[in-house]
Amino acid sequence: SSELTQDPAVSVALGQTVRITCQGDSLGSYYASWYQQRPGQAPILVIYHKHNRPSGIPDRFSGSSSGNTASLTITGAQAEDEADYYCNSRDSSGNYVLFGGGTKLTVL
Amino acid sequence: QVQLQESGPGLVKPSETLSLTCTVSGGSITSYYWSWIRQPPGKGLEWIAYIYYSGSTNYNPSLRSRVTISVDTSQKQFSLQLRSVTAADTAVYYCASYWNDFDNWGQGTLVTVSS
Repeated sequence: SSELTQDPAVSVALGQTVRITCQGDSLGSYYASWYQQRPGQAPILVIYHKHNRPSGIPDRFSGSSSGNTASLTITGAQAEDEADYYCNSRDSSGNYVLFGGGTKLTVL
Repeated sequence: QVQLQESGPGLVKPSETLSLTCTVSGGSITSYYWSWIRQPPGKGLEWIAYIYYSGSTNYNPSLRSRVTISVDTSQKQFSLQLRSVTAADTAVYYCASYWNDFDNWGQGTLVTVSS
């Protein structure tokens, strides 16, 4: 498959937990990374190699994977987490880079 | 921490060539692959290409026929050329470092294709 599929929009109440998912055949073979993009800003890496957090990323962000689905979980969502989130990995051949279509997270 | 800065024209005419340069600072240009990514207004991210300091390249198949990526290690810069542009190529263009993920991004530059 040459696609990574994300739900277009997800909402979460302030302080609650939300999971954002990314589905694709290639995720059974290749790690996913996750990016947060606030309006008008460049994306920033929040999870790499499936579950690792770069320095400076709050520990409420976590990543996991099962089969062909990668997940980004925010435990105790904050107002500043409202943003678009994109997954990223390789296509099934491993030759090319893919992004998911993005998920708009609203914190209520 | 690697820092990246895009530069180039913000307006390109249809059928002409879009040319952008990314300047790398705060790190070695031999440490990563270097990539271009774009984002049309209101839409998602699209990977365009990446290049290693050695000159090894990889292109998005959907854009390969129109794109050239190059690197100048002496200037710590890498560049993008996109030929025969149309309005569909209007986007914010980002440069980024890549090693299995994009861990450093430029601020992005909006390129509008219009006559």
